[in-house]
Amino acid sequence: GQNIDQPTEMTATEGAIVQINCTYQTSGFNGLFWYQQHAGEAPTFLSYNVLDGLEEKGRFSSFLSRSKGYSYLLLKELQMKDSASYLCAVMDSNYQLIWGAGTKLIIKP
Amino acid sequence: GAVVSQHPSWVICKSGTSVKIECRSLDFQATTMFWYRQFPKQSLMLMATSNEGSKATYEQGVEKDKFLINHASLTLSTLTVTSAHPEDSSFYICSARGHREGNYEQYFGPGTRLTVT
Repeated sequence: GQNIDQPTEMTATEGAIVQINCTYQTSGFNGLFWYQQHAGEAPTFLSYNVLDGLEEKGRFSSFLSRSKGYSYLLLKELQMKDSASYLCAVMDSNYQLIWGAGTKLIIKP
Repeated sequence: GAVVSQHPSWVICKSGTSVKIECRSLDFQATTMFWYRQFPKQSLMLMATSNEGSKATYEQGVEKDKFLINHASLTLSTLTVTSAHPEDSSFYICSARGHREGNYEQYFGPGTRLTVT
């Protein structure tokens, strides 16, 4: 079966760095997405990785290792507004997104 | 960037009535649109995938006669919840994907919160 695993909840301090991990097992792979979702709102796109390595975009970076079925989202210089759920999703061989359950990130002052 | 709108943002209806939710891609042509449902503190659940001009493909466990999807044009898809019941109360989110080769990003609408009383 297809499976996406990510921690349910993480807590970090304002100004610090946090890494959210995602492991996956899917039928085929056409890329991995990270989305941010604030409570009561729809997800917003953060990053897309299809090749191995690190993609940096401002305070957010995303890493992918296809051989290990592993990705992480790295958030630097955390701000209170970063408190949200972070969703990992993998596009399978049919170009359908398989979603993880999301990681709720709590930022403390 | 690509913009997807949904209407209405929220709706309250009585049990037994039908509700239509519209999803529009405002600045691009969406060959594929997706309808999701999300219950509180749970992840997104894909309900169906629709391609313009063809019938929607429903996920297992989703009643196609209850959740009617129409993708009549490249910029509009509608979801109609027929004979709504309180258990249908949820956050319904659509997303759209364009047809530019190599671009598989899904752009999400803001969501519609449905409450059935």
